[in-house]
Amino acid sequence: EAGVAQSPRYKIIEKRQSVAFWCNPISGHATLYWYQQILGQGPKLLIQFQNNGVVDDSQLPKDRFSAERLKGVDSTLKIQPAKLEDSAVYLCASSRSNNEQFFGPGTRLTVL
Amino acid sequence: QKEVEQDPGPLSVPEGAIVSLNCTYSNSAFQYFMWYRQYSRKGPELLMYTYSSGNKEDGRFTAQVDKSSKYISLFIRDSQPSDSATYLCAMSPSGQKVTFGTGTKLQVIP
Repeated sequence: EAGVAQSPRYKIIEKRQSVAFWCNPISGHATLYWYQQILGQGPKLLIQFQNNGVVDDSQLPKDRFSAERLKGVDSTLKIQPAKLEDSAVYLCASSRSNNEQFFGPGTRLTVL
Repeated sequence: QKEVEQDPGPLSVPEGAIVSLNCTYSNSAFQYFMWYRQYSRKGPELLMYTYSSGNKEDGRFTAQVDKSSKYISLFIRDSQPSDSATYLCAMSPSGQKVTFGTGTKLQVIP
């Protein structure tokens, strides 16, 4: 079975610009997660979707971050405008149930 | 105080050594305990998954949970250079919202 796909793998932007990341979960996985992993830290949950509904977005900085999961499959995460402190790896994960989460390779964002 | 504390290392051991990785936590609601392995520039992959207290063994890996002490461990026997990675502990009250430790970087020297 194909894993979680993410694109782009790397992105470099200047502060105040906007950026979008894309995630395609494993087929049949209803739950999709976006995490932010700052260098030297563990992943921090930004948002969790169950099908196309939001389950938890309590740690999403909603003034600049947005995410959607249209049709309950692919998802996009957007940052607008970006700040220097947004430099991190953005990980997408999916799961069939509440248990094992499968992670994608991540998108490494550098904000200059 | 962070909910999950994990020594960042780095931890350097010779090939064949027994490795002990540990995490402590403060949230008594945590019921699900996980260990992930993350290679450089890759996403985390699940190694071990346990519910509540006790031990779980899978090949060279053993996970232990002591809820009374709020302490979890991962042991790696006969460590190999391919085990060199960052190991993340993770915990959840329900299996859904997962809180990760900062990760311990392990290097196994041939």
